[in-house]
Amino acid sequence: DGGITQSPKYLFRKEGQNVTLSCEQNLNHDAMYWYRQDPGQGLRLIYYSQIVNDFQKGDIAEGYSVSREKKESFPLTVTSAQKNPTAFYLCASSPAGYSNQPQHFGDGTRLSIL
Amino acid sequence: SQKIEQNSEALNIQEGKTATLTCNYTNYSPAYLQWYRQDPGRGPVFLLLIRENEKEKRKERLKVTFDTTLKQSLFHITASQPADSATYLCALLSDSWGKLQFGAGTQVVVTP
Repeated sequence: DGGITQSPKYLFRKEGQNVTLSCEQNLNHDAMYWYRQDPGQGLRLIYYSQIVNDFQKGDIAEGYSVSREKKESFPLTVTSAQKNPTAFYLCASSPAGYSNQPQHFGDGTRLSIL
Repeated sequence: SQKIEQNSEALNIQEGKTATLTCNYTNYSPAYLQWYRQDPGRGPVFLLLIRENEKEKRKERLKVTFDTTLKQSLFHITASQPADSATYLCALLSDSWGKLQFGAGTQVVVTP
């Protein structure tokens, strides 16, 4: 079955450490997204990519970095510069970056601080 | 500033009744509005999309309306079942490219 795989499901970060969250899709989608979800808040866009080797900052990109070297993969690095990284991180994809197309989501990675 | 508001209080409803959720927005002119379902610890799942020129859209027991004058969408679950218990999110276009802006969601609890 086609879908989006996020790993790991749970991740713990020590102070001053960078961590990388994995996102892989086999839907052959061009566009991919990273969101952060905090309790009582809507999903907030961190980064998005419309095509391989290209990505743009979303609303809350500070303290995060991404790469898009392959169509299937869009890893997110949470750097030590992100002072409040505890959240539920969701990766999504869509056939192309247009608003009339639904986004398909993975099942998230929950990041906590040790 | 742009804002999307969904009722933050959980909606508790008896099995078989109709659940109605509201999504209000300000400072948007969305061409499309989407609704998603999210279960605890899972990613959202797309349910329905409605265009600005559509007043109503149906899918099985789900119905969505879109009133661009009132800047509001209503989401109905008819003949609700305990399996419908989840959080429901609305999402709007936030720019011409297609970045979606999500509401915080409303939790629905259906009791037998």
